[in-house]
Amino acid sequence: QVQLQQSGGEVKKPGSSVKVSCKASGGPFDNYIFSWVRQAPGQGLEWMGRIIPIVNMANYAQKFQGKVTITADTSTSTVYMELHGLRSDDTAVYYCARDRDGTGFPAFFDLWGQGTHITVSS
Amino acid sequence: EVVLTQSPGTLSLSPGDRATLSCGASQGVGTYLAWYQQRPGQSPRLLIFDEYKRDTGTPDRFSATRSGTDFILTISRLEPEDFAVYYCQQYGNSPPTFGQGTKVEIK
Repeated sequence: QVQLQQSGGEVKKPGSSVKVSCKASGGPFDNYIFSWVRQAPGQGLEWMGRIIPIVNMANYAQKFQGKVTITADTSTSTVYMELHGLRSDDTAVYYCARDRDGTGFPAFFDLWGQGTHITVSS
Repeated sequence: EVVLTQSPGTLSLSPGDRATLSCGASQGVGTYLAWYQQRPGQSPRLLIFDEYKRDTGTPDRFSATRSGTDFILTISRLEPEDFAVYYCQQYGNSPPTFGQGTKVEIK
């Protein structure tokens, strides 16, 4: 059974960057598209961007252009999300999620990682 | 971007009750709407896609339909594990967007 395993939570200083990983195991990787979704404390869900690992092509929500970089390593079945210029309002849980195969873009998400809690504090 | 408005914000019900959750879209999204369940401390879980199709493993007490411009999720008889937050999400327009959620709590 396919699982998405994310890296652990981190505490970061304002202005720094953080890179979160999401490793797919138990199933195919290359055929899928992966997105990142943010959930601020007590808030809803916000789509940040996605990557097509097989062609290493990413696209981003307008709000996150220049703020986020999403990459993938097909040799390890891992996708990454790097968040730059951290501010206190970037404190949130960050989820990787798999786009349902064949949905196209935009998509819905049929498999989620466990989430990574990023805290930005001086 | 498409704004999804969920109502009510909180639904206080008892096990065995029927729950009706609504999701309205600021513009047309066709049938491209999904519903997710998020239990406390857990990741969202896909329940419904393409407006009414249950994902694998979604119990049949969950059903979804559309009424005019509103999308409706119904839980026919609440089980203890159904008390959670429910989100709708549209994928008919870019970027994909989510509603703010409806919390189903035990009365």
